Amino acid sequence: DIQMTQSPSTLSASVGDRVTVTCRVSQSIRTWLAWYQQKPGKAPNLLISEASTLESGVPSRFSGSGSGTEFTLTISNLQPEDSATYYCHQYQSYWTFGQGTKVEIK
Amino acid sequence: EVQLLESGGGLVQPGGSLRLSCAASGFNFGRYAMAWVRQAPGKGLEWVSTVTYLSNTYHADFVRGRFTISRDDSTNTLWLQMSSLRADDTALYYCAKDAGGTPELPTRHFDHWGQGTLVTVSS
Repeated sequence: DIQMTQSPSTLSASVGDRVTVTCRVSQSIRTWLAWYQQKPGKAPNLLISEASTLESGVPSRFSGSGSGTEFTLTISNLQPEDSATYYCHQYQSYWTFGQGTKVEIK
Repeated sequence: EVQLLESGGGLVQPGGSLRLSCAASGFNFGRYAMAWVRQAPGKGLEWVSTVTYLSNTYHADFVRGRFTISRDDSTNTLWLQMSSLRADDTALYYCAKDAGGTPELPTRHFDHWGQGTLVTVSS
């Protein structure tokens, strides 16, 4: 089974900051990785697929990079509405999610 | 607009059964794989089951033999039959549309999600 390790589990940053979430995978998944945003009481929302392809309607301050076993989600110019939990998700072999990263606004 | 509406959740005793439904609309249901993903209270996302557009099925190890995913393309409905339920199956169960749907890429990531139906397993 593919294991995923997401870090940090929580981060606190100020409006306007640049934040990075990392996802490490136990074996190469090429670029078969997605990122989701989930706000309290809501369903997850797809942000990025194929490691770096931004979904339609997602603000350009979100970006993804990486391949193989290490991936990053970057939010530049953090906004108050970005307060949420973010999950990485591999779909190379079956489907696995990272543990989530809660992003808080200071 | 893609819409996924789950139903069938509720309170069930340990060892009991429940069938979840997901009514889909706004896309060509029969062309896409569909999945169930769950989230225990206060916890992260956990993939449960997937059915491809060819009706091939996949289940997570922790539900294999207890849960069965199926689909009816004539009514645009996805189901999850759950049996031998345990307390640790308590979760919000989401129906999700897979972005895959071609012979080359029958399954991919999940591009649309329902709002979920809550399953509580407790005596």
